[in-house]
Amino acid sequence: GENVEQHPSTLSVQEGDSAVIKCTYSDSASNYFPWYKQELGKGPQLIIDIRSNVGEKKDQRIAVTLNKTAKHFSLHITETQPEDSAVYFCAVRYPDSNYQLIWGAGTKLIIKP
Amino acid sequence: DGGITQSPKYLFRKEGQNVTLSCEQNLNHDAMYWYRQDPGQGLRLIYYSQIVNDFQKGDIAEGYSVSREKKESFPLTVTSAQKNPTAFYLCASSITTVNTEAFFGQGTRLTVV
Repeated sequence: GENVEQHPSTLSVQEGDSAVIKCTYSDSASNYFPWYKQELGKGPQLIIDIRSNVGEKKDQRIAVTLNKTAKHFSLHITETQPEDSAVYFCAVRYPDSNYQLIWGAGTKLIIKP
Repeated sequence: DGGITQSPKYLFRKEGQNVTLSCEQNLNHDAMYWYRQDPGQGLRLIYYSQIVNDFQKGDIAEGYSVSREKKESFPLTVTSAQKNPTAFYLCASSITTVNTEAFFGQGTRLTVV
């Protein structure tokens, strides 16, 4: 079936440095790629998303890039801050899955002071 | 404030008992979802509902049941048939299943003792 692989599972970066998380997917018909942030004890919250007709999208310190040929997309966080520490999930929407989202396993991002 | 409310936040259940988790939304969303989250794994879909009085099984529906009698409410029952019920349960909603930006509740942590 559809599969989404997310790497790394844990990422530790110095405050102020950049962080990059990557997800790969299997179905070339996928058309929607959101990223969610989950803080401890809370539900995930959408931080940025991209659709298949766009290669890159930015929102202040956060950006997402999509490579449809290679079937991967990445989350980029620049100038990291302590409040960026959280678990980040990617997801993919497959038309064949009745438009449901298939989720990556998550990346725990740790910002070191 | 608009949002999704899950209750209770923590729930303890004795083995062999059924338990119902509450999920209420006042966002006027048609679609609602239940996910299960286990450590080191992505979100796995239990059930979803596209409209009142309709719901569909997700990837891991065995041992769970739901109802959707009102647009605002989508309770999840964890039955005694669920072999490994201890987990973090997340409820979400979206305008429709096609517009898949999902808004999540704070989650319920269920522990079987």
